[in-house]
Amino acid sequence: EPEVTQTPSHQVTQMGQEVILRCVPISNHLYFYWYRQILGQKVEFLVSFYNNEISEKSEIFDDQFSVERPDGSNFTLKIRSTKLEDSAMYFCASSGAGGFTDTQYFGPGTRLTVL
Amino acid sequence: AQSVTQLGSHVSVSEGALVLLRCNYSSSVPPYLFWYVQYPNQGLQLLLKYTTGATLVKGINGFEAEFKKSETSFHLTKPSAHMSDAAEYFCAVTVTGGGNKLTFGTGTQLKVEL
Repeated sequence: EPEVTQTPSHQVTQMGQEVILRCVPISNHLYFYWYRQILGQKVEFLVSFYNNEISEKSEIFDDQFSVERPDGSNFTLKIRSTKLEDSAMYFCASSGAGGFTDTQYFGPGTRLTVL
Repeated sequence: AQSVTQLGSHVSVSEGALVLLRCNYSSSVPPYLFWYVQYPNQGLQLLLKYTTGATLVKGINGFEAEFKKSETSFHLTKPSAHMSDAAEYFCAVTVTGGGNKLTFGTGTQLKVEL
């Protein structure tokens, strides 16, 4: 069964450093998303991406964040200058052509630790 | 803006007992509702979803949920709990025109005891 994959599974970085989290969505999906879950808190939407542009973003997704689909298979989240409060589990998700009613399939997550 | 509220951050049931996890939503437009499950150190897996049509939806692993507009609820049930059901369960909502974003509840940790 197709699945969303994410690398790395765990990333440790120093405050102020740039990180890139990578995701390979399901191959025929058209919508891509990033969510995060701070330890002990609920899953929060960051951004959705369709047709090579951001379709929706949350207040969390400020200028420090960017997303890119550099080729036909990868979807990346970049945090330009990490802060302690960026420590969280980051989930990538993808969905098909059905839009908002389509199931979003989640990857296993990348745990980001900012020291 | 839409939101969901999950009552009870922790629920404990005996193996074989009924599982009932509560979710209430708030939305000014017709909502589309989802239940996801998260096992330790894993991502989120869809259990079931309500978009349109039949209000009683059946999902994987014997779970089902009923959309009740009058009560703004979408509670998750399973007639008989199994040890393997122990996990965290998240209710989520989305609406049209929202960039497909899912808004999650705070989650309910289900514990199944012998």
